[in-house]
Amino acid sequence: KNQVEQSPQSLIILEGKNCTLQCNYTVSPFSNLRWYKQDTGRGPVSLTIMTFSENTKSNGRYTATLDADTKQSSLHITASQLSDSASYICVDQSGGSYIPTFGRGTSLIVHP
Amino acid sequence: EPEVTQTPSHQVTQMGQEVILRCVPISNHLYFYWYRQILGQKVEFLVSFYNNEISEKSEIFDDQFSVERPDGSNFTLKIRSTKLEDSAMYFCASSEARNSYGYTFGSGTRLTVV
Repeated sequence: KNQVEQSPQSLIILEGKNCTLQCNYTVSPFSNLRWYKQDTGRGPVSLTIMTFSENTKSNGRYTATLDADTKQSSLHITASQLSDSASYICVDQSGGSYIPTFGRGTSLIVHP
Repeated sequence: EPEVTQTPSHQVTQMGQEVILRCVPISNHLYFYWYRQILGQKVEFLVSFYNNEISEKSEIFDDQFSVERPDGSNFTLKIRSTKLEDSAMYFCASSEARNSYGYTFGSGTRLTVV
């Protein structure tokens, strides 16, 4: 069964600090891996989408990395802001299926 | 920026009743999806829809569920006889292509079954 495991489950940081969120996926063959930001009570918003040929991709203060050999991805947030408080979800769409597998998300809280 | 619009934002229904959740996808998108998220749990795929038929569906999407594109703009999810465990946030999404590098999600409909 396809699995996406995220860590940590939750994270509290001070405004201005950096943080890194982890995602491990199990599915082969690899197709693409996405990171989403989900504010409470809202739909997920895409941050980055990574394909096999990409090992790093940035979107403003968000930088995602991908290691297809170890099946790991990370999302690095630089100079965090209060508005970064949200759930960050890793989504794997691999295994020859068009059905995505969602991780449980990392709940990030940024304190002033 | 184009949006996926969902109505209503919150629906309360009695167990056993039928509900229809409505979505207006982005106008030039061809693939449509429904997801659900039970409170405190991860987002789960329900169904994808293209060219007026279901492309993929998950184990969750049983005979109680159906989808329809009744006209050129709306995409609906019907739950025939709601159960308490159907209480969740339901998200509609759309994309230009099947394995698109950009799904756009709506803000969701919170369904509460009492």
